[in-house]
Amino acid sequence: AQSVTQLGSHVSVSEGALVLLRCNYSSSVPPYLFWYVQYPNQGLQLLLKYTTGATLVKGINGFEAEFKKSETSFHLTKPSAHMSDAAEYFCAVSYADRDDKIIFGKGTRLHILP
Amino acid sequence: NAGVTQTPKFQVLKTGQSMTLQCAQDMNHNSMYWYRQDPGMGLRLIYYSASEGTTDKGEVPNGYNVSRLNKREFSLRLESAAPSQTSVYFCASSEPTLGTFKQYFGPGTRLLVL
Repeated sequence: AQSVTQLGSHVSVSEGALVLLRCNYSSSVPPYLFWYVQYPNQGLQLLLKYTTGATLVKGINGFEAEFKKSETSFHLTKPSAHMSDAAEYFCAVSYADRDDKIIFGKGTRLHILP
Repeated sequence: NAGVTQTPKFQVLKTGQSMTLQCAQDMNHNSMYWYRQDPGMGLRLIYYSASEGTTDKGEVPNGYNVSRLNKREFSLRLESAAPSQTSVYFCASSEPTLGTFKQYFGPGTRLLVL
């Protein structure tokens, strides 16, 4: 069965430091990959996605992710963390052609230390 | 353009009571979804509807029913609430024909079952 694994349910980084949130998927076919962000008491917002083409994908708020097929990974990075980045981040995959069903990881809560 | 709206925002139920969570979208999307979010579990799909008049079970459908009343509205019903259904419920919508694979989420309904 397809699945998504996010390493680390909580990650803490200092303000200005590199943010790295890890995501691995299990699949024998190329997936569509997403990162969603959830700020406190809000719904999820799409941060970025990979469907086809360039494997380095840039999203909103300075985040980017790289699809590495050989490693079955789609890690999320940001060069310099900001206090406003504190949120929960969800990696997700989809394999559907027309149906937009997606499978979410369990989430990683990002804490920014002053 | 309100996007995806959900009512109510909060609800407290006693075990055995019933209630319906309402969801509406104004983006003319064909697909709509109901998820529940629990700590450490990520988002789990309860039911989805690929189009008006069709519904299908997701990962955790037991104890729930849904109705796709029209293209705009997708309701989730708990016939006999149980404490295990204490959760945050999110509705989402998407349009598969656009090929964007982007889901738009509502703000959520926090449900407590005593």
